[in-house]
Amino acid sequence: DTGVSQDPRHKITKRGQNVTFRCDPISEHNRLYWYRQTLGQGPEFLTYFQNEAQLEKSRLLSDRFSAERPKGSFSTLEIQRTEQGDSAMYLCASMTSGGPRVYNEQFFGPGTRLTVL
Amino acid sequence: AQSVTQPDIHITVSEGASLELRCNYSYGATPYLFWYVQSPGQGLQLLLKYFSGDTLVQGIKGFEAEFKRSQSSFNLRKPSVHWSDAAEYFCAVGEGGGADGLTFGKGTHLIIQP
Repeated sequence: DTGVSQDPRHKITKRGQNVTFRCDPISEHNRLYWYRQTLGQGPEFLTYFQNEAQLEKSRLLSDRFSAERPKGSFSTLEIQRTEQGDSAMYLCASMTSGGPRVYNEQFFGPGTRLTVL
Repeated sequence: AQSVTQPDIHITVSEGASLELRCNYSYGATPYLFWYVQSPGQGLQLLLKYFSGDTLVQGIKGFEAEFKRSQSSFNLRKPSVHWSDAAEYFCAVGEGGGADGLTFGKGTHLIIQP
């Protein structure tokens, strides 16, 4: 299966700890997106990369959150000093960019479910 | 700012009956519209998308959706549901180029009665 993969699938941590999630996109996709989904809500956009450049960040992405895509392939999302409000499903998606008038399909990974105790 | 409203949090439909899930969007220009389905433990899967052209679009698994600009709606339909269609359905809107990601509605939980 060459879809989007995320690791770990589940993470339980204590408040104040740091956590890091990994996303491996579909190999030929140059765009990578991170979303957060809380219970009973739709996914909310956090940030995206085109190759290794982080081009947009949502105001939801506080200073405790940082994302990288060092070689334009896999990406990591780190949350420092976790809070109970960070408990959510973190989704990664990838796609090929198609220019300013095109919106290609985003392919989503299965997500990482974070529980902060 | 763009937004998406899915007015129905839960919908219950009998197996074999028809289905319509509502979606209303707010966007200044011509939107790029999507319907995704999410099953427990699975990632979001694209059912169909609308960019331009024919306002009735066909998707996978027998789903279709109709874009109505005058009503700012993009409702999802299926003529006969199967038990395997039970899932969470999300409508989403995006702008050309993919900047800012997709804006999703809160979702509609579909329950299928035998």
